[in-house]
Amino acid sequence: GAVVSQHPSRVICKSGTSVKIECRSLDFQATTMFWYRQFPKQSLMLMATSNEGSKATYEQGVEKDKFLINHASLTLSTLTVTSAHPEDSSFYICSAPTGGGKLFFGSGTQLSVL
Amino acid sequence: GNSVTQMEGPVTLSEEAFLTINCTYTATGYPSLFWYVQYPGEGLQLLLKATKADDKGSNKGFEATYRKETTSFHLEKGSVQVSDSAVYFCALINNAGNMLTFGGGTRLMVKP
Repeated sequence: GAVVSQHPSRVICKSGTSVKIECRSLDFQATTMFWYRQFPKQSLMLMATSNEGSKATYEQGVEKDKFLINHASLTLSTLTVTSAHPEDSSFYICSAPTGGGKLFFGSGTQLSVL
Repeated sequence: GNSVTQMEGPVTLSEEAFLTINCTYTATGYPSLFWYVQYPGEGLQLLLKATKADDKGSNKGFEATYRKETTSFHLEKGSVQVSDSAVYFCALINNAGNMLTFGGGTRLMVKP
C-alpha cells in the first residue's frame, strides 16, 4: 500500500534555531499534503495544506512566517519551524491523499525545543 | 505497540439509512479515542472524541461510545445524508499523549 515517510521522527533543538521536517510520498504522487500539530492529550490540529507548485494554505491562527511550508515536488513537502521556541514543542504529523481518495499519514515528528 | 482496526470500505448507503463503522483498538493503559473525517478535497477534521471508558462522543448526529470491555469505538449515525460522504478515520492517543495511531480509514458513500 501507499506509504508516507516523515523525517526526522524526533528532534531536539535549542531555542532560536530552525528545524525542517520532511514528508515524502514514497510510491504515489501527492499534489496536496496536510500538516498537523498535536498538543498533549488533545486531537490533531490542521495547520496548513501544502500545494505543489503554489503557496500553502494556512488555517486561521497559524503563523505563516513561523511555519514555512514548501511543496517542492509531487512527492515532497517540508515544514520548517523557524526560530523555534519552547512553546513550539509538539508532535507534528503530515498526511497525503492518493488519487483514489485514501489518506495516508506519516509517522510523525516529536519536536522538543530547549 | 498500539493499533487501530476499522472496517474495510467502501460503505455504500442510501440517504436516511443507519450507519455503523466498526473500530477496535489495541493499546496499553487508557488511551483517548477519536473519530476524524476527511471530506473530498479537504484535510482531516475532528468529528468526535471520548477520553475514558463509557464516555460517548457525539457531533453532527454521529455518536461513538468508548467500550473498554470490547476495546471498541464504533461510529454510528441514525440517518445519513449525501453530505456525509467522506472518509472516516478512527484513532487513538496513548496515555502520555505523544503517540497517535490511526486506523486505515473507511470510505462512506451516501446515494440520494
